[in-house]
Amino acid sequence: AQKITQTQPGMFVQEKEAVTLDCTYDTSDPSYGLFWYKQPSSGEMIFLIYQGSYDQQNATEGRYSLNFQKARKSANLVISASQLGDSAMYFCAMRSSGGGADGLTFGKGTHLIIQP
Amino acid sequence: DAGVIQSPRHEVTEMGQEVTLRCKPISGHNSLFWYRQTMMRGLELLIYFNNNVPIDDSGMPEDRFSAKMPNASFSTLKIQPSEPRDSAVYFCASSLNSLSGNTIYFGEGSWLTVV
Repeated sequence: AQKITQTQPGMFVQEKEAVTLDCTYDTSDPSYGLFWYKQPSSGEMIFLIYQGSYDQQNATEGRYSLNFQKARKSANLVISASQLGDSAMYFCAMRSSGGGADGLTFGKGTHLIIQP
Repeated sequence: DAGVIQSPRHEVTEMGQEVTLRCKPISGHNSLFWYRQTMMRGLELLIYFNNNVPIDDSGMPEDRFSAKMPNASFSTLKIQPSEPRDSAVYFCASSLNSLSGNTIYFGEGSWLTVV
């Protein structure tokens, strides 16, 4: 069974500081993908960044980077130079192709609030 | 490019009524997913389709829920009869295929309130 754990229910961060959102995962599948989504108060789910289990380098997308530590089964999201607009719920998710199952397994999310 | 399109965005209905949620996936995407989001249970996968065929509906809560995908560009999620505990945000999502490296893109959600 797959599991995603996000241990930070909420975080307050000062504007312009860097933020690290924690995510650990558990799976027995050798091939999997790790994703981060942002859900602002308006409710939509916005894809941010992807990391494949066989990728050698950490993924980056603009101000977002993923700190992937495979041996520790962690995939933390780093947001550099945080902005007020970064305030939202952030979900870590995993997708694997093993066992005939599909779809994303989500963590419970981290509510990030950026303070001016 | 058009993303995943869902309708209605908001629906308020009375207990016992039938509810139909609609979804148009991204053109060219072969996998379609229905998720439900509640405060108590978070994001739950209800059912997914590959090439219009339902693959896994183990997440469908009970027989009151049904989903169809008659063609590659349209899917419905139906609740009959609806109950107050069905109140949630229902997301439709799609991806190119079922490989783990393909991003799943979400619609804006259908906010359902059953009174």
